[in-house]
Amino acid sequence: GNSVTQMEGPVTLSEEAFLTINCTYTATGYPSLFWYVQYPGEGLQLLLKATKADDKGSNKGFEATYRKETTSFHLEKGSVQVSDSAVYFCALLDAYQGGKLIFGQGTELSVKP
Amino acid sequence: NAGVTQTPKFRVLKTGQSMTLLCAQDMNHEYMYWYRQDPGMGLRLIHYSVGEGTTAKGEVPDGYNVSRLKKQNFLLGLESAAPSQTSVYFCASSYSVRDTGELFFGEGSRLTVL
Repeated sequence: GNSVTQMEGPVTLSEEAFLTINCTYTATGYPSLFWYVQYPGEGLQLLLKATKADDKGSNKGFEATYRKETTSFHLEKGSVQVSDSAVYFCALLDAYQGGKLIFGQGTELSVKP
Repeated sequence: NAGVTQTPKFRVLKTGQSMTLLCAQDMNHEYMYWYRQDPGMGLRLIHYSVGEGTTAKGEVPDGYNVSRLKKQNFLLGLESAAPSQTSVYFCASSYSVRDTGELFFGEGSRLTVL
């Protein structure tokens, strides 16, 4: 079945450091891919997405490129801020039976001043 | 705009008790979902609905039941709560997940089963 695997956290970085959170997927075909972010005490919200191979999603300084060769969708940011501290979830769209998102286990990011 | 509202936000149950979590959305969305979030497990789909009067099983449906009698509401029921159901439950809705992939989440309901 479809699944998403993320690098384990927590990830702790200093402000202005470079961020990479790895995400790989297993799926039939080429599903749309997403990154969601969960700030403390809140529900998840969509951060960015890519709907086909080689697409790059971007938002708020974050980027991720859909790589079908490596079945990956790694999240990157060039310079993190304390306000980026959150849990990040990679997800894929399973379009079978109406459509649903399959999430990875989440990666907690903590950015220190 | 309220968006997606979950009630209650916190609840403590004893093993064997029953309860219902209510999810309400005011965005006229067709699709609604119930996920549970556990440490190290991410979000796992319990049940979902692709329209009023429909429901379908997700990854971890055992021990839960759902109903979607009205388009705006999606109820999650626990008939006989077990400690393994201690979790944070999230409801989400979408206008068309297959087109946008965007889910709108509630703030979560923390359930503890003793």
